[in-house]
Amino acid sequence: DGGITQSPKYLFRKEGQNVTLSCEQNLNHDAMYWYRQDPGQGLRLIYYSQIVNDFQKGDIAEGYSVSREKKESFPLTVTSAQKNPTAFYLCASSIKPSGWNSPLHFGNGTRLTVT
Amino acid sequence: ELKVEQNPLFLSMQEGKNYTIYCNYSTTSDRLYWYRQDPGKSLESLFVLLSNGAVKQEGRLMASLDTKARLSTLHITAAVHDLSATYFCAVGTSGTYKYIFGTGTRLKVLA
Repeated sequence: DGGITQSPKYLFRKEGQNVTLSCEQNLNHDAMYWYRQDPGQGLRLIYYSQIVNDFQKGDIAEGYSVSREKKESFPLTVTSAQKNPTAFYLCASSIKPSGWNSPLHFGNGTRLTVT
Repeated sequence: ELKVEQNPLFLSMQEGKNYTIYCNYSTTSDRLYWYRQDPGKSLESLFVLLSNGAVKQEGRLMASLDTKARLSTLHITAAVHDLSATYFCAVGTSGTYKYIFGTGTRLKVLA
């Protein structure tokens, strides 16, 4: 079955360490996204990528970095520069604009706790 | 900059009652989506609305879109406990892949 796989489900890190969250999709979608969700709040866009080797900053990109070397993969690195990294991180994907009738497909998320 | 606002933020309602969640957005958009999120879980797509006047229905939920008013509604008919969740609308920025989410409406249906 096609879908988006995020790993790990839970991640614990010490303050000052960089950490990389994995996101893999086998939906053959062109665009991929990273969102952050804080308790009781909506989703905020961190980065998104329309095609391989290209990505754009979202609304809260500071302290994060991404890469898109393969169509299937869009890993997110939370760097030590991110002041409040503890959150629920959601990866999503979508097909090209010609298929706007298709919504975002989401992974199951990674809950990151930094102490 | 595209902004998306939902109201109410919290909604507690009795089973069997009707209610509407509103989603307003600030700039022109050609697509709007509704999602459901259960506690601690990911988001599940409910509706995709692509044109002015679009109406979609699934069970006790009905979504509509008025692009001139920049408003979408999610109407709940005869609520049941299983509908308890957080509902998000998301708006697509014209000409881009960018999706901006609303603040979410946390719905609790009381038996």
